[in-house]
Amino acid sequence: KAGVTQTPRYLIKTRGQQVTLSCSPISGHRSVSWYQQTPGQGLQFLFEYFSETQRNKGNFPGRFSGRQFSNSRSEMNVSTLELGDSALYLCASSSGTGRYTEAFFGQGTRLTVV
Amino acid sequence: AQSVTQPDIHITVSEGASLELRCNYSYGATPYLFWYVQSPGQGLQLLLKYFSGDTLVQGIKGFEAEFKRSQSSFNLRKPSVHWSDAAEYFCAVGASGNQFYFGTGTSLTVIP
Repeated sequence: KAGVTQTPRYLIKTRGQQVTLSCSPISGHRSVSWYQQTPGQGLQFLFEYFSETQRNKGNFPGRFSGRQFSNSRSEMNVSTLELGDSALYLCASSSGTGRYTEAFFGQGTRLTVV
Repeated sequence: AQSVTQPDIHITVSEGASLELRCNYSYGATPYLFWYVQSPGQGLQLLLKYFSGDTLVQGIKGFEAEFKRSQSSFNLRKPSVHWSDAAEYFCAVGASGNQFYFGTGTSLTVIP
């Protein structure tokens, strides 16, 4: 079955703009989470959604937001982009919410803010 | 506080040589531990995971890892490295669902 699909793969935005990234989880998976990956900070957890409800949120400013739709697809939005938001944004999906649940990652969206 | 430490930022090994990547964790409860691999421009692929039971776990691509509670470690090993193993390796502890605490990663270079 198809894996986790993230669109677009690459994005260039100007400082101050906003951006929306999309993630389609594996069919049947209801949990989606987002991570920001940068060379300096590594992989940092943004937020997790399960059945359209945000379950957990990482330590990021309110400019970062997300949502999940009834078909489990998820979007994350970053408003008022800053240069430091340039990163690889990874989405992961899993079938459940337990700590033992295996997560499957997408290939990511590479965001460059200029 | 939960954290994962990968002490080696970069490791170079010769093809055919053995490999060990170090990982130390700090977690208040029973840790659920994972190793992921990331090739350039790609997402993360799960190599193996430890939840309970046998402390030596086998994964894909010939990798294995050993959980040592007394040392708070979960080191990744491979007896003979292939050139295709060159990648970034991440150790992680599961917090809940899809929330993980990742280490900073170890970049592996394989020389012929």
